[in-house]
Amino acid sequence: GEDVEQSLFLSVREGDSSVINCTYTDSSSTYLYWYKQEPGAGLQLLTYIFSNMDMKQDQRLTVLLNKKDKHLSLRIADTQTGDSAIYFCAGGLTGGGNKLTFGTGTQLKVEL
Amino acid sequence: DTGVSQDPRHKITKRGQNVTFRCDPISEHNRLYWYRQTLGQGPEFLTYFQNEAQLEKSRLLSDRFSAERPKGSFSTLEIQRTEQGDSAMYLCASSLASSGNTIYFGEGSWLTVV
Repeated sequence: GEDVEQSLFLSVREGDSSVINCTYTDSSSTYLYWYKQEPGAGLQLLTYIFSNMDMKQDQRLTVLLNKKDKHLSLRIADTQTGDSAIYFCAGGLTGGGNKLTFGTGTQLKVEL
Repeated sequence: DTGVSQDPRHKITKRGQNVTFRCDPISEHNRLYWYRQTLGQGPEFLTYFQNEAQLEKSRLLSDRFSAERPKGSFSTLEIQRTEQGDSAMYLCASSLASSGNTIYFGEGSWLTVV
């Protein structure tokens, strides 16, 4: 099955850019997702990218996909304190009901 | 559109008791998923439905777990004879099969087994 790995922690200053990285093993994932989870809450869908795309930009968020290296990244521009949360990447296969395999999450801490 | 709704948000139960969680998906969504998340981990897939049919169950879903979606709308997840290892957050998600790229999660139901 799919394995998804992420670094555990990232600390940035307010106003800087954050880059959260993710590697995955199953190149057949159709879609790759980024979710945000605040303490005690559910998962908020931030953005997703189809596997035949290299990049997707959505306001402050930029997703880069390197299929050759099976590497996915999420860049948050002008990081704010409200961005402090755990960020999960996940892969899904359309043919498999699109059930998702998640990484362990990256905790982003934004300091003043 | 009120999003995916889960109830209860928190449940504390004694070991050996049965618990049931309910999920109301986004109204037009025909796919419904259950995931489990333990502290410090990402969510793990448990099962999913398309309409009322349960199409896949994970090995994580032991015989003590049962999920239903009788009318293809809301779903329930029941855990019988709870064990301390069942303590986790149970997350429900929904999507529209024809546009399976957007999967929305609820706020989760926290279970603590004491």
